[in-house]
Amino acid sequence: GNSVTQMEGPVTLSEEAFLTINCTYTATGYPSLFWYVQYPGEGLQLLLKATKADDKGSNKGFEATYRKETTSFHLEKGSVQVSDSAVYFCALSSSGGYNKLIFGAGTRLAVHP
Amino acid sequence: EPEVTQTPSHQVTQMGQEVILRCVPISNHLYFYWYRQILGQKVEFLVSFYNNEISEKSEIFDDQFSVERPDGSNFTLKIRSTKLEDSAMYFCASGQGAHGYTFGSGTRLTVV
Repeated sequence: GNSVTQMEGPVTLSEEAFLTINCTYTATGYPSLFWYVQYPGEGLQLLLKATKADDKGSNKGFEATYRKETTSFHLEKGSVQVSDSAVYFCALSSSGGYNKLIFGAGTRLAVHP
Repeated sequence: EPEVTQTPSHQVTQMGQEVILRCVPISNHLYFYWYRQILGQKVEFLVSFYNNEISEKSEIFDDQFSVERPDGSNFTLKIRSTKLEDSAMYFCASGQGAHGYTFGSGTRLTVV
């Protein structure tokens, strides 16, 4: 079945450091890929998405490229801020059905000044 | 910006009691979902709802769970007889179809 694997956290960085959170997936067909962010005490917010191979999603300085050859969708940001501290979830939506999301386990990011 | 609204934000209930979690999806959305997140764990799909019927459900969504769209605006999740392991954050989401969801802020359910 479809699944998403994320690197385990927590990830602890200093402000302005480079961020990578790895995400790989297993899926049949051509899924869409997403990154969601969950700030403390809040719900899930869509950060970025990509719907086909080689697409790059970007938002708020974050980027991720849909790599079909490596089945990956790694999240990157060139310079993190304290306000980026949150839990980040990689997810996929299958090409069939009613597009339920399958989430990875989440990666907690803590950014220190 | 349109929002998905969930109430209550926190519900405490005794084991064996029925609970109803409420959601008001975005008004022109056609697809509705419930997910749950047990503390510290991944977000899990429960059920999707389209055209006034369940379109898909997970193994978690057993006979104790039901969903309803009673009045064209609300979307509810009912748990008939709660168990301790039902304690989780429950998220409602709505979308217009492929590739676009908006999640609510969640209801934290605590079963004691």
